[in-house]
Formats: sequence, structure tokens, C-alpha cells
Amino acid sequence: DAKTTQPNSMESNEEEPVHLPCNHSTISGTDYIHWYRQLPSQGPEYVIHGLTSNVNNRMASLAIAEDRKSSTLILHRATLRDAAVYYCILRDVTGGGSNYKLTFGKGTLLTVNP
Amino acid sequence: GAVVSQHPSRVICKSGTSVKIECRSLDFQATTMFWYRQFPKKSLMLMATSNEGSKATYEQGVEKDKFLINHASLTLSTLTVTSAHPEDSSFYICSASGLALNYEQYFGPGTRLTVT
Repeated sequence: DAKTTQPNSMESNEEEPVHLPCNHSTISGTDYIHWYRQLPSQGPEYVIHGLTSNVNNRMASLAIAEDRKSSTLILHRATLRDAAVYYCILRDVTGGGSNYKLTFGKGTLLTVNP
Repeated sequence: GAVVSQHPSRVICKSGTSVKIECRSLDFQATTMFWYRQFPKKSLMLMATSNEGSKATYEQGVEKDKFLINHASLTLSTLTVTSAHPEDSSFYICSASGLALNYEQYFGPGTRLTVT
């Protein structure tokens, strides 16, 4: 899997938007950009994914650069429950079976201040 | 939808004994299940990938005779840590994926294993 680069940590205030960046300069044409988050002592939770176009769901928005070498996860109004480690992962979905495995990096630890 | 459960959530065992962890997909058929291990303040590390009815594929450096994986049905996979040692103490997390969910991985809540 192609590598991603994320800041080690970020801080936000409650009720404010949060923009979590991810660089993936070696992304290939068949790599989807996935975001997961992990709350303390829990398994990761799927947040959002996309290929080329920006994506929105009930949890977040994903903005993908035109050259696909970077992306930004946007939490529109941070809450205390959004404090977690956020992982940006590239996944090549061609083929099947083990090609769908995820390689987790260190992620970004998001702290939300009340 | 897409709920994955793990049992037990916490387990303490004595060194030299074996412990089994179950991973279940509750509302979908999981053709593939993945097992991860996570040490404190570290990221998840993939241990193995298992497809229903097939032998698991282990990542480099993971002992297949120590970490036995069985994926006998489309909703259940088990990880057995054999002859556990204190260094096996870790947070074990499974994930499941299937065609109905476009092969997105959904994770269980994790199992905290402590070997004394």
C-alpha cells in the first residue's frame, strides 16, 4: 500500500470545524482514500472514503485534491466525542481477498477542548 | 448495520495456557476477516487475513502455530493464542468485510489480553 503522512497531533475547540490533512504523494490510480478513527480502548471506526470526488456523509466530509496527492477530512462541528486517533489509509481495491487489507500508520491524535 | 462483535472483551490468563477470542459479524456475511494486534500507544498491526473455508494468510513475522485462526463460517472467526506468554499481552482487534458492504472493513471492539 502507498504511504500516507499525517500530523502527529492536532487540537480543536468544541463546536468548531476541524480540518485533518493527509499527504499521499505516491498514490496510484486505483487507490481509494479511506479514513478511520479510533477512540481510546476501542476498535477503529470507518469514517469515510473516496476516490476522486469530494464525499460527504453524516460523520464528515472528505476533500480530495485535484491531483489526488493530498486529502482533508473535515469535521464540521467538533464534539468531545470526536477526540480520537484519525487514520488516513490508501487501499487498492483491484482484485479481491487480501488486496483489501488495510495498513495503519500512526495517525493524527485529535484533542477537542471544551 | 455492519456490526462486528468480539468475545471476550477482556481476558486474563496464566502463562503457558491458551486463550480463544471470537469475532462475529452480526448482520452481514463476512467472506474475509482480519486480525490485528495493537500494543499500547502504537498503531494496529495486521497479523493475518482469513477467508471463509480457507487457511489464513499470515503476515511476515507472525507465528502461525502460535496464533491459530479458524474461519469456519461466514459469521465467525476465532483466534487462539497458544502457550501464551506475557509478551503476548496486547489488544487484539478483528475486522470483517464482505460483498454486501463493498468489502469495506468493519471492526470489532477489541479484546484486551493480559498474560500473567
